[in-house]
Amino acid sequence: GENVEQHPSTLSVQEGDSAVIKCTYSDSASNYFPWYKQELGKRPQLIIDIRSNVGEKKDQRIAVTLNKTAKHFSLHITETQPEDSAVYFCAASFGEGYQKVTFGTGTKLQVIP
Amino acid sequence: DAGVIQSPRHEVTEMGQEVTLRCKPISGHNSLFWYRQTMMRGLELLIYFNNNVPIDDSGMPEDRFSAKMPNASFSTLKIQPSEPRDSAVYFCASSRGTGGQETQYFGPGTRLLVL
Repeated sequence: GENVEQHPSTLSVQEGDSAVIKCTYSDSASNYFPWYKQELGKRPQLIIDIRSNVGEKKDQRIAVTLNKTAKHFSLHITETQPEDSAVYFCAASFGEGYQKVTFGTGTKLQVIP
Repeated sequence: DAGVIQSPRHEVTEMGQEVTLRCKPISGHNSLFWYRQTMMRGLELLIYFNNNVPIDDSGMPEDRFSAKMPNASFSTLKIQPSEPRDSAVYFCASSRGTGGQETQYFGPGTRLLVL
């Protein structure tokens, strides 16, 4: 099956600084890479996703980059705010026919006011 | 839309008891997923249904766990007998299409504590 590694496991930044979370995946056939945000005690929610036919996607303060050759993708959050504090999960799709996603182990982001 | 609905939200039970978790997916979604979340193991996929048919149950830990989806609007995850190591948050999620390429919408989760 797919293996997704995520780093770092924890990240503290000052409000207004940028945060970067990196993931690597093992299945070269993976072609869908979503990112989910989970606030404390809440459910995971999709914040951005990228498909393998593009190298970068941006949505306001968040962006995701994908390097298919190296099999890694990253989440970038600029101008961080306290409400960005949460656990972020990367994921990658895999499988023939009926695909599923494997999640990374999560990054706990703390934005210090 | 009400989103994915799960019940109960919290469950405390004693070791050896049967536990049944329930999920109502978003209307029109073809795929349904059951996940387990713990600090040690993160977010694990237990089983995946598409059009009410189990597609992949390779994540089901052992025979004590079973899942059903009798119709498009209802699924259950049953643990019998329950053990303390089953304590976790169990999420149900649904998506359109075959699931792997679509946004998954998670329910609020069921927090299970087995004493």
